[in-house]
This record gives sequence, C-alpha cells and structure tokens, in this order.
Amino acid sequence: LAKTTQPISMDSYEGQEVNITCSHNNIATNDYITWYQQFPSQGPRFIIQGYKTKVTNEVASLFIPADRKSSTLSLPRVSLSDTAVYYCLVEGLYGGSQGNLIFGKGTKLSVKP
Amino acid sequence: DAGITQSPRYKITETGRQVTLMCHQTWSHSYMFWYRQDLGHGLRLIYYSAAADITDKGEVPDGYVVSRSKTENFPLTLESATRSQTSVYFCASSPGDSGNTIYFGEGSWLTVV
Repeated sequence: LAKTTQPISMDSYEGQEVNITCSHNNIATNDYITWYQQFPSQGPRFIIQGYKTKVTNEVASLFIPADRKSSTLSLPRVSLSDTAVYYCLVEGLYGGSQGNLIFGKGTKLSVKP
Repeated sequence: DAGITQSPRYKITETGRQVTLMCHQTWSHSYMFWYRQDLGHGLRLIYYSAAADITDKGEVPDGYVVSRSKTENFPLTLESATRSQTSVYFCASSPGDSGNTIYFGEGSWLTVV
C-alpha cells in the first residue's frame, strides 16, 4: 500500500489559488491517485482522480509528475466554502487485500476573507 | 437515488452495551467499508468487505464485528461498547472496478457514556 504524506494545514485567502501537495514515494504501477474533500459533520466526497500528467474538472486540477511520487491538487480562486479537509488516497485497482484503503490525516485548508 | 444510508445517525449508549450501526447501499457496489473519525483526526479503517460473505480487517478492528450476508448491507457491531469507541462512524462503498472512487454515507455519531 502506498503511504501518503500531506501538510497538516494550510491557510489561504479568498480568490487565491491553492496547491496542496501529497507525497507517495512507493506508489505502485497500477495505483491511481484520488483526492477527497470533507466538510465538518459530513462524509468525504470525491473531487478528482488521476493516473499521470494532468487532469482537470470543474472543481480542481490534479498535477502528477512523470515519476508519480507526488501529486498536487490545485484549487483555483478559492472561496470561503472551500474550507475543508482534503485527503489524498493512493490505491491500485481492486482485488484481494487492495480494499484496505487507508486515508492519511489530510490537509485542513482554511480560507479567510 | 438513495445511495448509501446509515442508521442510526445519532446514538448514545452505555459502556458494556452492544450497539449495531447499519449501512445500506442501493448501487450494488462490491466493496463496502467502515471508518471511524475521532474529533480533529483523520479517517481510520475498521473493516472492509470485497463482496458478500467476504470481510477483512482494517487498521483498527479490535472491539468491532462486521458481517455481510447481502451485498447491499454491511452492519458494524460493537459487542461491548467502551468510551474509547465514542466517535463518528462512516460507512462507504465502491464499485471497485476502476480506480478507487469511494462514496461515503453521512455518518453515525456514537457516544458511549
């Protein structure tokens, strides 16, 4: 299982771009990288997923370098409503013990006015 | 689309009592998970299941029992509740067929007094 490391917390201001980096040095060939967002008193929800290079959706972008040992979640022009905890999850295609999906402690993003 | 539902949402119980948290999903997802989240901490995997009648331990399985007789249900039982099991419990499911997108329930708040 690829272990992940993220900053514990980050602060930003409204309108700024926020980049949260996750390190996963022992990522395996078939591992995907997925980011989740969690608001207080709610379950985490899927934001974006990628395997390599860059992925963009209506919410965020995900940058993955060629060696795939890290990934960066980019949130453009954050607002107060983006204040949440962001988790990076790395896990391969399912099968056998690969359902053992371990979340790290996440990054608590605080957006200030 | 009901998705994934947990019950009860809130429960107060006494030390030593047996408590069962229910989880039901309507997507026929193969994988189901139970996580606990303590105040100010990340998610910790308790148990997971790859299919009906197949369950496996996660990071913190001690004191918990699970079963999965039907694909759509994954109950979590605390056989003899302790104060240290006071937490928010999240059930989740995933199709497990590509990547690792996980869908979470809204959580069950359990207080053991």
